[in-house]
Amino acid sequence: KNEVEQSPQNLTAQEGEFITINCSYSVGISALHWLQQHPGGGIVSLFMLSSGKKKHGRLIATINIQEKHSSLHITASHPRDSAVYICAVLGDYGGSQGNLIFGKGTKLSVKP
Amino acid sequence: DAGVTQSPTHLIKTRGQQVTLRCSPKSGHDTVSWYQQALGQGPQFIFQYYEEEERQRGNFPDRFSGHQFPNYSSELNVNALLLGDSALYLCASSSQGRHGYTFGSGTRLTVV
Repeated sequence: KNEVEQSPQNLTAQEGEFITINCSYSVGISALHWLQQHPGGGIVSLFMLSSGKKKHGRLIATINIQEKHSSLHITASHPRDSAVYICAVLGDYGGSQGNLIFGKGTKLSVKP
Repeated sequence: DAGVTQSPTHLIKTRGQQVTLRCSPKSGHDTVSWYQQALGQGPQFIFQYYEEEERQRGNFPDRFSGHQFPNYSSELNVNALLLGDSALYLCASSSQGRHGYTFGSGTRLTVV
């Protein structure tokens, strides 16, 4: 079983729809990242969370530390949101910096 | 403020050859991590460099080696290339004690 699981693997939505991508993890973490990867390959960091909720424009990320679960929401989706969204956790190694453990990503396609 | 710079962007090599990939971290960052991303998969951790030393290593063979220079830039070397080494190689920089990561655009390596 992977340490970071994302669902769904693929998601197709109509423009304007509300989208949710889920991430569950099984290890102790010091932070969780939501990342966006476009077809060219480069990765952009959207959010870094260690508790609660963050909002940036139409994007909202939440985390529940007790349940080891995070969600990324996109409101009023747009074709330019089409990308792969990746959840990555930073392991908690008792003070020393761990490394990022990635989910396999969710491929989002938003149709006009 | 320059982010993470990786070079080259694309590379084609023959089986058995050796390759060197380069990464310049974001200004102010002192830690460099390397990841391999196969097609359709999430990135896999190769190793992390801090203070010119390899601090952590993922499950990769000794054919994968690296180096960090006094200016914090880093190289990833792969010897005796195999077809299975074809992937996108991502570099991410960070600061020790902080959880934020900045990613480069990656080097796409094709082994033929």
